[in-house]
This record gives sequence, C-alpha cells and structure tokens, in this order.
Amino acid sequence: DIQMTQSPSSLSASIGDRVTITCQANQDISHHLNWYQQKTGKAPKVLIYDASNLEPGVPSRFSGGGSGTDFSFTINNLQPEDIATYYCQQSDDLPPTFGGGTKVEIK
Amino acid sequence: QVQLVESGGGVVQPGGSRRLSCSASGVSFSTYGMHWVRQAPGKGLEWVASIRYDGSSKYSADSVKGRFTISRDNSNNTLHLQMNSLRPEDTAVYYCAKGHRPYYDRSYFDYWGQGTLVTVSS
Repeated sequence: DIQMTQSPSSLSASIGDRVTITCQANQDISHHLNWYQQKTGKAPKVLIYDASNLEPGVPSRFSGGGSGTDFSFTINNLQPEDIATYYCQQSDDLPPTFGGGTKVEIK
Repeated sequence: QVQLVESGGGVVQPGGSRRLSCSASGVSFSTYGMHWVRQAPGKGLEWVASIRYDGSSKYSADSVKGRFTISRDNSNNTLHLQMNSLRPEDTAVYYCAKGHRPYYDRSYFDYWGQGTLVTVSS
C-alpha cells in the first residue's frame, strides 16, 4: 500500500495568513493526489483534485501543487470558515490511502 | 443534485453483524465506482472498501477483509456494506462516497454521504 505522510498534524494561524500543508508519498504517484476539507461533524469535501485542480465552487484562495512524491496545499488569506481538518489522499493505486490530517486553527 | 444517504448504523455487540446501506439519487449510479470510508472517533479517514461500477470487482482493506462485504444494487441505486464479526475497533462513522471518474476504479471521491455511526460495544 502507498503510505501518505502529511505535515504538520496541526497548525495555528491568523486571519489573512498564508497556510501551507505538505504531503509526501512513499512512491511515485504522478499527479494523483487530492485534498479534502472536513469540518467538525461533517463529511469530507474535496477541494483540490489531481494535485492542482480546483473543484468547481471552491474558493480560489485554495491551491495545490506538486507531483511524483511531494505535494503541497496552500490556503491564501486564511478565513474563519477555513477552520477544519485537511486530508491528502492518493488515487494512483488501490487501496486509496489518506494522510493523517492537518487540523487548522485560528490564532 | 447528487445525494448519498447512509442508513443502518447503531449499536451492535462485539461479534455481531450489521448491514449499512447508501441510497444514491441525482446520479447515474451504475456508471461510477462506489466506496466506503470510515472515521473512528477523533481519528482520521480510513478507506474500507470499493466496488466497481458494475459490481464485477471489489476491494477491501486488510483490517476488514473476510469480515466486511461491499455490494451494490444498480437497479435500486443502492450501495451496501455487510459487516460481520464486528470488533470494538470497528466503531466509527461510516461514509459512502462516489468516485469521480465513470467506469474507473481509481478516482477521487467527489460526493460523500452524511455518515452513519456504528458503535461496537457490549
């Protein structure tokens, strides 16, 4: 199985800050990396698919990049509604695997 | 719009069984792979099982292999997860999720249900 290592596990930032989360795969997954947002008590929601593609309807302050084994997810201009846990997930091979999650809080 | 609604959660004793269902609407159900993902209390997301759009292939996590069975009824737009020999560590919210790409096993999950809680406890 492909292992996904996500960091940090939590972070605290101020409104308006830029926040970056990284995700590393233990083998080449091309661009098959997706990012989800999960708010407390809710189902996950996809924000970025195939490393850098913004899901329709998702604000443009969210972005993603990377390929191969190293990926990043950025929130520009952090907003109060961005408080959530974020997960990366690889869809290059079965089984699909998730990173451990990054909890984003407001400072 | 696409809606996925899970049902069947509840409290079950260790060693018991439970069948979860996921009813889909607003989508050509028979075109897409479907998946179950679970989340233990306070923990991260864990993929449980997947089934091909036509039911011809099924995949499951090692942690549930031999105990859980995924199936689908394309005539009724419904996904199932039969869970047997349940253990306390199976306690989680179970989500059904739809694969994005039609006719493709490997894809991101573009729609999720609201989740159903299964608690395994005596």
